[in-house]
Amino acid sequence: DQQVKQNSPSLSVQEGRISILNCDYTNSMFDYFLWYKKYPAEGPTFLISISSIKDKNEDGRFTVFLNKSAKHLSLHIVPSQPGDSAVYFCAASAKNTGNQFYFGTGTSLTVIP
Amino acid sequence: DTAVSQTPKYLVTQMGNDKSIKCEQNLGHDTMYWYKQDSKKFLKIMFSYNNKELIINETVPNRFSPKSPDKAHLNLHINSLELGDSAVYFCASSWDLNTEAFFGQGTRLTVV
Repeated sequence: DQQVKQNSPSLSVQEGRISILNCDYTNSMFDYFLWYKKYPAEGPTFLISISSIKDKNEDGRFTVFLNKSAKHLSLHIVPSQPGDSAVYFCAASAKNTGNQFYFGTGTSLTVIP
Repeated sequence: DTAVSQTPKYLVTQMGNDKSIKCEQNLGHDTMYWYKQDSKKFLKIMFSYNNKELIINETVPNRFSPKSPDKAHLNLHINSLELGDSAVYFCASSWDLNTEAFFGQGTRLTVV
């Protein structure tokens, strides 16, 4: 069963514009969420996190928003840069699942120069 | 200096063989993991190893066994390889079970 879903497999954005990547989850007990970025032939690298006690977390050009009632989170990248072109995974965990992280299937972002 | 390194990067082998993938982390983390990314791009946890406690994903066949000689290493042994085992396997480590993980570059296993 897929508890974390990223329904958009790909996204293209012009350089300088905003990129919005979406993630939905089904387990209401999830309380910690991560975004990872992955380049080809490399492992995922941690980007930004958010705890369920917050609804927004910002780090430079990256902001993650959490809507608990909708079981939805999103990653905003602004302004987008060509180097942001990668696959983005969201992941979620909860104490009642042994804190293991469940990953989405990723969204491939292409930033067009 | 690579934080989480796994070898080999590519592994092609025949059905029925036994193979191992090695993983080492130099971050001083207490927890290590093995993840499998299948052809549909699902990234699923296989094992986590924290303070000598092994947590196994129940969907993982017992042909897969992790071995941790010390806190910095978590190797993955696979017996009697099957075609369906073809995937990319990622090793990762973190401070504890509920913090972000650092991933290795992955091992692409192809069973023919």
